[in-house]
Amino acid sequence: GAGVSQSPSNKVTEKGKDVELRCDPISGHTALYWYRQSLGQGLEFLIYFQGNSAPDKSGLPSDRFSAERTGGSVSTLTIQRTQQEDSAVYLCASSFRRGGGETQYFGPGTRLLVL
Amino acid sequence: DQQVKQNSPSLSVQEGRISILNCDYTNSMFDYFLWYKKYPAEGPTFLISISSIKDKNEDGRFTVFLNKSAKHLSLHIVPSQPGDSAVYFCAASADNFNKFYFGSGTKLNVKP
Repeated sequence: GAGVSQSPSNKVTEKGKDVELRCDPISGHTALYWYRQSLGQGLEFLIYFQGNSAPDKSGLPSDRFSAERTGGSVSTLTIQRTQQEDSAVYLCASSFRRGGGETQYFGPGTRLLVL
Repeated sequence: DQQVKQNSPSLSVQEGRISILNCDYTNSMFDYFLWYKKYPAEGPTFLISISSIKDKNEDGRFTVFLNKSAKHLSLHIVPSQPGDSAVYFCAASADNFNKFYFGSGTKLNVKP
């Protein structure tokens, strides 16, 4: 079966440009997460979607970052006016919530480089 | 402020020996812990988890130990194999599972 997919796999952009990163979760998974991993750092939580509930945006580092999830499936993370410090691997994960615990299935990530 | 810490960025172990990866956390509300394994250019994959009602969970060569009083967990791999060479992340969550906090990872190298 298909896993979590992300596109593009690599993105190079110029400082000040906007970028859109896409995540296709596993079919039937109701929860979707975005993380980023900067060089030498751990995974940093960005945003969480669960079904039709309002997303938990508490991890978004600034108002230049936004995300949406259409139809409870595909999600897009948008970074406006990119800065060099936005360079990182952006990881998406989806999960199917079940009682007693939860595991996330990660995509391969999008490597963003802001010049 | 990092709530989950992996203080060893790297670990090198001989094939066949035990690998012990450590993780510390600060938030006493965390009650669910996971270990992930990550190969280069791939996303992390789930390895093993433990609920705070347990102090040990075993799955084949992998065992996770939880010491709640010390806010410490560890992953033991016995025997270690070269294919285990990867970056290992620990993660923690409170009971709503909305947010997972990850450590910075430990790069394990298992030498043949």
